[in-house]
Amino acid sequence: DQQVKQNSPSLSVQEGRISILNCDYTNSMFDYFLWYKKYPAEGPTFLISISSIKDKNEDGRFTVFLNKSAKHLSLHIVPSQPGDSAVYFCAEHYFGNEKLTFGTGTRLTIIP
Amino acid sequence: DVKVTQSSRYLVKRTGEKVFLECVQDMDHENMFWYRQDPGLGLRLIYFSYDVKMKEKGDIPEGYSVSREKKERFSLILESASTNQTSMYLCASSQVRAETQYFGPGTRLLVL
Repeated sequence: DQQVKQNSPSLSVQEGRISILNCDYTNSMFDYFLWYKKYPAEGPTFLISISSIKDKNEDGRFTVFLNKSAKHLSLHIVPSQPGDSAVYFCAEHYFGNEKLTFGTGTRLTIIP
Repeated sequence: DVKVTQSSRYLVKRTGEKVFLECVQDMDHENMFWYRQDPGLGLRLIYFSYDVKMKEKGDIPEGYSVSREKKERFSLILESASTNQTSMYLCASSQVRAETQYFGPGTRLLVL
């Protein structure tokens, strides 16, 4: 049973507009959610994270929002750039657990 | 900067062969992980190790084994490769109790 769901396998956005990637989860006992970005034929790279005690974290063009009542988080990229075209994974981390649980990923394509 | 390296970027093997995938990290991390990435399935954990000679099964350990004789090196072994093990294999490492994992570039394995 998938505990972390990314329901949109793909998303296309015009360059300069906002990209919104979504992630839903079932288990509330996490301490962090993380977003990773992956280019083809490369390993994932850490992008941004959010603690369970916050509802927003911002880093440059990237902002992650956490809605605990809806068990939903989203990654906003503003403005979107061609180099943002990649697969994005959200991942859940529990306190005291060394593992991450990943979603299935969303392929973002930025259209010039 | 954390560096995680994997011994091969691409491998082609025959069904029934024994396959070794090697991973080395240079940041003295306690934890090391092996994942496979398949389209539509995200990153799935095969095995992880939290110390030398220590290992735990992940979500899909069947058909795989691991070895960690030194802290910096974590090997994934396919005892008898099968075509359903064709995949992208990703190694990662992290500090103990840290949520961020750092990934290697991946090995794309094709089993014929």
